[in-house]
Amino acid sequence: DAGITQSPRHKVTETGTPVTLRCHQTENHRYMYWYRQDPGHGLRLIHYSYGVKDTDKGEVSDGYSVSRSKTEDFLLTLESATSSQTSVYFCAISGGDSNQPQHFGDGTRLSIL
Amino acid sequence: GQQVMQIPQYQHVQEGEDFTTYCNSSTTLSNIQWYKQRPGGHPVFLIQLVKSGEVKKQKRLTFQFGEAKKNSSLHITATQTTDVGTYFCAGPNYGGATNKLIFGTGTLLAVQP
Repeated sequence: DAGITQSPRHKVTETGTPVTLRCHQTENHRYMYWYRQDPGHGLRLIHYSYGVKDTDKGEVSDGYSVSRSKTEDFLLTLESATSSQTSVYFCAISGGDSNQPQHFGDGTRLSIL
Repeated sequence: GQQVMQIPQYQHVQEGEDFTTYCNSSTTLSNIQWYKQRPGGHPVFLIQLVKSGEVKKQKRLTFQFGEAKKNSSLHITATQTTDVGTYFCAGPNYGGATNKLIFGTGTLLAVQP
C-alpha cells in the first residue's frame, strides 16, 4: 500500500467544536484529496490540492477548509462541527491528475454528537 | 453536473455464481477507473480503461469500456467469498479541472458460501 497515514483514526466530538484531520504521505505525490463516505452516496470530494498552498473545492466543500503547507501533509478542518458532518473521511493521493489512479488512506471515522 | 451512476446498488449471490455491475456516465469519459472496497476498509485501485471498446482481464474479473466511452462494466466469473465488498467506478470530471474524479455510488456484493 502507498505510504498514507490518516490521524486520528477515530474521533467523537460535540457539535460546535473545531476538528482537524491530518493526512500524511511519504510518496511525494503532488495531488492530495479529501473525501467523505456516507451510505447511499459513495465517495464525495470535499477539497483537493494540486501542490503546496494550492487547493480547490470539491462537490461538498461547505463547512470544511483545508491547508497544505508541505508536500507531505494535507489538513482538513471542520471549523464548527455539525451532526451532518458525521461520516468516514478518506484521504487519497495521486501522482498525476484524474487520469492517474488514486491511493487511499485507511480513513477516519468521525462522530459528532 | 456530471453524474456517474452504478447499478445495481446491491447484489447477493451464491458462491460460484457470476456477478456483473454496470457504470454509466452522463458525459463521455477519457478513462474509467475501478476500485474495490472491502467491508471496513478503504478503496483500492483495480484497473484503468482508456480506449473505446477496451476489454481487460484480471483472473476472474473482466472489465469493459463502452464504444461511446460513456459506460463500463465489471464482470466476475464464479464468485468467491473473497470478492465481497463494494465496487466503485470513477471517471474524470468533465468541463472543469482535470484533476478530479467523480465516483459512482458503488455496488455492494455479498457472496454466500
